[in-house]
Amino acid sequence: NSKVIQTPRYLVKGQGQKAKMRCIPEKGHPVVFWYQQNKNNEFKFLINFQNQEVLQQIDMTEKRFSAECPSNSPCSLEIQSSEAGDSALYLCASSLSRGVANTGQLYFGEGSKLTVL
Amino acid sequence: GDSVTQTEGQVTVSESKSLIINCTYSATSIGYPNLFWYVRYPGEGLQLLLKVITAGQKGSSRGFEATYNKEATSFHLQKASVQESDSAVYYCALGMATGGNNKLTFGQGTVLSVIP
Repeated sequence: NSKVIQTPRYLVKGQGQKAKMRCIPEKGHPVVFWYQQNKNNEFKFLINFQNQEVLQQIDMTEKRFSAECPSNSPCSLEIQSSEAGDSALYLCASSLSRGVANTGQLYFGEGSKLTVL
Repeated sequence: GDSVTQTEGQVTVSESKSLIINCTYSATSIGYPNLFWYVRYPGEGLQLLLKVITAGQKGSSRGFEATYNKEATSFHLQKASVQESDSAVYYCALGMATGGNNKLTFGQGTVLSVIP
C-alpha cells in the first residue's frame, strides 16, 4: 500500500469553484512532486518542492494553481477557479532527494481524482 | 520537449505466455537519458519496477527485463512467462537531469490484463 497519502480520493466541483487536494509525503522525504494525469493518461508535471521551497513549476501553476508544502503540515495543491479542462487525476509523489531523474526513486500516492462539472 | 511513447494502450495475454510492451523515447534536452519502468497495481500508487541508466545495459526485476537501446531510442519491457498477478498498468519513463531540470517524463501507460 502507498505510504504517500493523498486526500480526498475524489472531489467534484463546479466551474469556478476552488478545489484543494492534500498530500502527506512518505516519512523523511523532503522532495514532493505534483503531476496531473488527464483522461488520455498523459502525465503533466506541475510543480515540485524541497521542503518548503519551490524547485520548478510550469506556467500553468503560476496562474490558477497554487501549491505549498508547509513545515509540519500536509502539502497541498489548490486550483483557485476550476475549469472543465482541469478534470484529471492529480498525483503526488515524494523522494529522498532531488535526483529523481537519475534514481527514479519516486514514491506515488494513489491520487486525487477531480471532476469539474 | 522530451517525450515517451507507448504504442499499446491495452495488452491482453494468457497466463504463462510471453509479453512485450513497447516504449520509445525522444530526448531533446541536453543531458543523458535515464530510463525507467513503473507499475501501478490495483489500489496502489505507481512504483518503480526497474531502471537502466547506461545505454546497452539491461535491467530486470520480478521476471521483467528491459534493455536500453540508444540507437533505436527504445526501452521495451519483456517477460518470458506472465502470471495473473502481473495484471497492472505499466508506465515507461525518461529522466533527464539537466541544470535545474530534474524530473521524469512518463508515457501514457499500457494496461496489462493476464487471462488465467
